Amino acid sequence: DTAVSQTPKYLVTQMGNDKSIKCEQNLGHDTMYWYKQDSKKFLKIMFSYNNKELIINETVPNRFSPKSPDKAHLNLHINSLELGDSAVYFCASSRGSGGPNTGELFFGEGSRLTVL
Amino acid sequence: SQQGEEDPQALSIQEGENATMNCSYKTSINNLQWYRQNSGRGLVHLILIRSNEREKHSGRLRVTLDTSKKSSSLLITASRAADTASYFCATDSGNTPLVFGKGTRLSVIA
Repeated sequence: DTAVSQTPKYLVTQMGNDKSIKCEQNLGHDTMYWYKQDSKKFLKIMFSYNNKELIINETVPNRFSPKSPDKAHLNLHINSLELGDSAVYFCASSRGSGGPNTGELFFGEGSRLTVL
Repeated sequence: SQQGEEDPQALSIQEGENATMNCSYKTSINNLQWYRQNSGRGLVHLILIRSNEREKHSGRLRVTLDTSKKSSSLLITASRAADTASYFCATDSGNTPLVFGKGTRLSVIA
């Protein structure tokens, strides 16, 4: 059983298109995250949700919109894709609330987005 | 904002040797964690060390933390080819999600 699963694993699309990445965790965790990993492997937090509520929204363009229908799911929708959006997007979850002493994060396998 | 900086950026060793990676950070922390990322895969948690701890062991892994120098090190003893991966430190500094460094790419040559 995959603890944190995200789909699709690969996504190739044209500039200007809209795409979504889905994430589900079966760990019973309260908090879920989206991280972006660029070509230099740098991981940057994008969003954090606790019990379906947005708690962290880093400086991310409005074209990125997370949606959490329930605490086990956190989807990422991207409008008007740009070349610079090409990256690997990781979903993660944690037992903690995202505050102090959150504890370990459990990551999905990543979704590699290529914008042409 | 980026918190941890790993050093070196890349490390190549022979199987059986020890690998040491360092992480420096800027602000005070609650805990520091190390993760491994195999090529094309997600990150996997290795070990967590709290700010009041100085050293922690897990199997062939040994982590130290020096809060006065704002630095941590990860030692992998008796390395194996399967240890080839990128290693990231991540800091927990309060009401923010974990902040990751840029990672050290470790290559273990059989």
